Amino acid sequence: NAGVTQTPKFQVLKTGQSMTLQCAQDMNHNSMYWYRQDPGMGLRLIYYSASEGTTDKGEVPNGYNVSRLNKREFSLRLESAAPSQTSVYFCASSLAGANTGELFFGEGSRLTVL
Amino acid sequence: SQKIEQNSEALNIQEGKTATLTCNYTNYSPAYLQWYRQDPGRGPVFLLLIRENEKEKRKERLKVTFDTTLKQSLFHITASQPADSATYLCALHSNSGYALNFGKGTSLLVTP
Repeated sequence: NAGVTQTPKFQVLKTGQSMTLQCAQDMNHNSMYWYRQDPGMGLRLIYYSASEGTTDKGEVPNGYNVSRLNKREFSLRLESAAPSQTSVYFCASSLAGANTGELFFGEGSRLTVL
Repeated sequence: SQKIEQNSEALNIQEGKTATLTCNYTNYSPAYLQWYRQDPGRGPVFLLLIRENEKEKRKERLKVTFDTTLKQSLFHITASQPADSATYLCALHSNSGYALNFGKGTSLLVTP
């Protein structure tokens, strides 16, 4: 099993450009998450989807949009990238809510905004 | 506000010793607490989940304690090995129950 797959692994953008980070899981999980990780800040939740058809804001949602395309896929879109969005982005999934079990993480997408 | 605090200073220990990492939290009433391992350039990997009614949980060389009175969890690695060198993250579920909030992690370095 591939687990959680993120694409692209690396991306460089110019300020104002848009892009979408893709995430797919093959574990039939109900819940999916997007986190960003910055030095000294730890992992911070951007958005999550408790189940197919629902999405909710996390701690740092400004500047991002998400789409739960189907049960497998959860994408994160930056409409107008800013240097403050330079970060490592992690997608994760869990069978049910995070209060009932472990999260499975992808390998990360490293985004640089110039 | 809710906080999860882990020692930001790296922990350096000698191979064979026991490593103890601390996680303190405020303004949470967690039913569960989780520990993850993260290697450089990789995503976090789940290690252990402990429930509030479980004072201690073990998995091979790992041991986790959970004291809801002290609002603290301790993570122990016994007979540590250089391969245990990584960053260890503590995590609690948010008030919504659907997402995990993470501490900033503690870096562990085990030297031969």
